[in-house]
Amino acid sequence: QKEVEQDPGPLSVPEGAIVSLNCTYSNSAFQYFMWYRQYSRKGPELLMYTYSSGNKEDGRFTAQVDKSSKYISLFIRDSQPSDSATYLCAMSAGYGNKLVFGAGTILRVKS
Amino acid sequence: DGGITQSPKYLFRKEGQNVTLSCEQNLNHDAMYWYRQDPGQGLRLIYYSQIVNDFQKGDIAEGYSVSREKKESFPLTVTSAQKNPTAFYLCASSSPGLADEQYFGPGTRLTVT
Repeated sequence: QKEVEQDPGPLSVPEGAIVSLNCTYSNSAFQYFMWYRQYSRKGPELLMYTYSSGNKEDGRFTAQVDKSSKYISLFIRDSQPSDSATYLCAMSAGYGNKLVFGAGTILRVKS
Repeated sequence: DGGITQSPKYLFRKEGQNVTLSCEQNLNHDAMYWYRQDPGQGLRLIYYSQIVNDFQKGDIAEGYSVSREKKESFPLTVTSAQKNPTAFYLCASSSPGLADEQYFGPGTRLTVT
């Protein structure tokens, strides 16, 4: 079993829809959680960074962490075609521990 | 502009040849990393360095080598011992350590035939 599981998709939605992207993990020591966006043939770009449980909002993006369920989510409101990309979750137990990535979910927003 | 640069963007090599991928950052970050990305497998850590003149193996270091002679530079050599070198290679940096958010370069697509 992988430490971090992420549905590869593709997830296809109409423009304006609310998108929910999710990851589950098995290591209860993870405390730092990140979401990256990666356009085709480009490097990943950091979108959201959260520590421990709770919500964090930035514009149209909301990151949620539920440590009791070992489940994290990224919500995208009013999705746009420019949001079409691969979204990678990543997490770490803290200083001295590596960042573990999910395999990525491909998102397609249709205009 | 601050950031991470990787060169070249595309690289083609014949089997049996060593090849070196460049990674430079001007973010003044202490830590640098090399990842390999294959379809459906996410990012896998090859090597990382938290300080100049020191580096550690990641999960898939076999067939790769690195050096860290300068804070700004962390080149990766893909040797002929790497059995399946064709992949997308990503360099990242962070400050001060592994727990902190990593920032990525644009990547190098290596094709070995």
